[in-house]
Amino acid sequence: ETGVTQSPTHLIKTRGQQVTLRCSSQSGHNTVSWYQQALGQGPQFIFQYYREEENGRGNFPPRFSGLQFPNYSSELNVNALELDDSALYLCASSLGPYSDYGYTFGSGTRLTVV
Amino acid sequence: SQELEQSPQSLIVQEGKNLTINCTSSKTLYGLYWYKQKYGEGLIFLMMLQKGGEEKSHEKITAKLDEKKQQSSLHITASQPSHAGIYLCGADIGGGADGLTFGKGTHLIIQP
Repeated sequence: ETGVTQSPTHLIKTRGQQVTLRCSSQSGHNTVSWYQQALGQGPQFIFQYYREEENGRGNFPPRFSGLQFPNYSSELNVNALELDDSALYLCASSLGPYSDYGYTFGSGTRLTVV
Repeated sequence: SQELEQSPQSLIVQEGKNLTINCTSSKTLYGLYWYKQKYGEGLIFLMMLQKGGEEKSHEKITAKLDEKKQQSSLHITASQPSHAGIYLCGADIGGGADGLTFGKGTHLIIQP
């Protein structure tokens, strides 16, 4: 059974550009959530997708958007990148949309905006 | 103020000693998770606690949940170099599909 895989592992972008990060969920998991972790901070919840629909969102602007595909893999898109978007982006998958299902995290994508 | 406070922020412990990390919520807890993170890497699941008074152990790590105090503690017995890293508590404080709220983490260093 494979775990959660994220790509790319590292990325450098210029302010104003757009970026897409990818996540393959663990086998059998139908829910994916994304988190942003700034240096020295805990992860912050961006949004969650359950069966291809967004069903929960944290305090992030609309330029953060996502998709979940029929195979339950997911993308995080960030438009009009700002310097403060530099962070580790973590994807987590779970068996269902509520916390009692548990979350498996990937290794993250390190995004640097210059 | 933070919804989930962890203490201490950092901890230096001599190898072989015991230690405790605390996590306190300002809101009702619907589930509490402990994760370990190596710098810049993903989160490794340690334990999930859901019921008040629940206590779980794995190898030398024990976690407890005090629902009344809205608090959890993580205790490591006879610490080893492999225990070094950042310990994060994450909690479901919304009871819905709002993901986990995390503390800022406790940075643990084990001195030989």
